Amino acid sequence: GNSVTQMEGPVTLSEEAFLTINCTYTATGYPSLFWYVQYPGEGLQLLLKATKADDKGSNKGFEATYRKETTSFHLEKGSVQVSDSAVYFCALSDRRPGTASKLTFGTGTRLQVTL
Amino acid sequence: GAGVSQTPSNKVTEKGKYVELRCDPISGHTALYWYRQSLGQGPEFLIYFQGTGAADDSGLPNDRFFAVRPEGSVSTLKIQRTERGDSAVYLCASSLLWGVETQYFGPGTRLLVL
Repeated sequence: GNSVTQMEGPVTLSEEAFLTINCTYTATGYPSLFWYVQYPGEGLQLLLKATKADDKGSNKGFEATYRKETTSFHLEKGSVQVSDSAVYFCALSDRRPGTASKLTFGTGTRLQVTL
Repeated sequence: GAGVSQTPSNKVTEKGKYVELRCDPISGHTALYWYRQSLGQGPEFLIYFQGTGAADDSGLPNDRFFAVRPEGSVSTLKIQRTERGDSAVYLCASSLLWGVETQYFGPGTRLLVL
């Protein structure tokens, strides 16, 4: 079956530091890949997505590149801010016909950014 | 516009009781999903509706769980004979069309079974 593995947290960084959160996946076929973010007290929000190999998703300074050869979708940001403190979830959508695009999530990585 | 809403936001119940959790999707969205998120875990798929019918209920853990969407809009997740292991946050999401992958999530209902 499909699965997503992401690095365990918490990840603690100083403001303006470089961020990488690793994500690898196992899936049949060619899934779409997502990063969702959950800010404290709020619901899950889509951060970025990529639908095919070598696509780069980007939003709010975050980027992730769909790497089929390494089955990875690592999240990066060049300079984090305190407001980026949240839990980040990597997810995939099985795009095979009839699978209804249900999402398979990783366990989440908590990011804490300090001044 | 209004996002996905879920009620109640919190529900405390006793073991063995029946509970209903409600989801109002974004207006016009035809696809509706339910997920369950246990503490420290990512959301896990429960059931998916396209219109009024459950197109995929493979994630429902057992026959105590049931969901309906009678008019193709609001959905209710029903849990019979609740158990302590059912305690989790229940998330609802909707998307515009079947196969359109961007899902918009509600804030969730936090269920605690004592």
